Amino acid sequence: NAGVTQTPKFQVLKTGQSMTLQCAQDMNHNSMYWYRQDPGMGLRLIYYSASEGTTDKGEVPNGYNVSRLNKREFSLRLESAAPSQTSVYFCASSEAGRGRATGELFFGEGSRLTVL
Amino acid sequence: LAKTTQPISMDSYEGQEVNITCSHNNIATNDYITWYQQFPSQGPRFIIQGYKTKVTNEVASLFIPADRKSSTLSLPRVSLSDTAVYYCLVGRFAGAGSYQLTFGKGTKLSVIP
Repeated sequence: NAGVTQTPKFQVLKTGQSMTLQCAQDMNHNSMYWYRQDPGMGLRLIYYSASEGTTDKGEVPNGYNVSRLNKREFSLRLESAAPSQTSVYFCASSEAGRGRATGELFFGEGSRLTVL
Repeated sequence: LAKTTQPISMDSYEGQEVNITCSHNNIATNDYITWYQQFPSQGPRFIIQGYKTKVTNEVASLFIPADRKSSTLSLPRVSLSDTAVYYCLVGRFAGAGSYQLTFGKGTKLSVIP
């Protein structure tokens, strides 16, 4: 299994440009998440989707939009990129129960975004 | 979500047991304590989770006292490959099986040959 797959892995944008980060999971998980990680910092939750058809704001949602396209896919969109959004973005998924610990999230490898 | 405090960095020699302590004074009744490991240029990886007392799996043990205001991750006989950042998190259900976690800055563990 591939687990959680993020595309693109690297992206450079100019201020004001828009782009969408794609995330897909093949573990049939209900819940999906988007985090960002700045250098030397921990991860901060941007948005999450508890189940297909629902999305909720996390700690730092400003400047981002999300779409839970179906159970497998959860995309993150930057409508007008700013240098402050330069970061590494991680997508994750989880499924409580089924023998899994409730706090066990499965993370992708990250998407490194630079906004000039 | 409760804020967590853990040492910024720790050094250990190969083969030693490493204990990383985390404080979470404002933990709520419904919160679980979870630890993650992160290598450079990778996403975090789940290590262990607990609610109270002791939990052990194949890679680590987690000790949580009765008041749950702190927890200690114990890594037995570390090797060079255990060099990573370790995050202590307090989290709770956010509905429909999702789990809301707050990451701090973590503890950077360096294992020395």
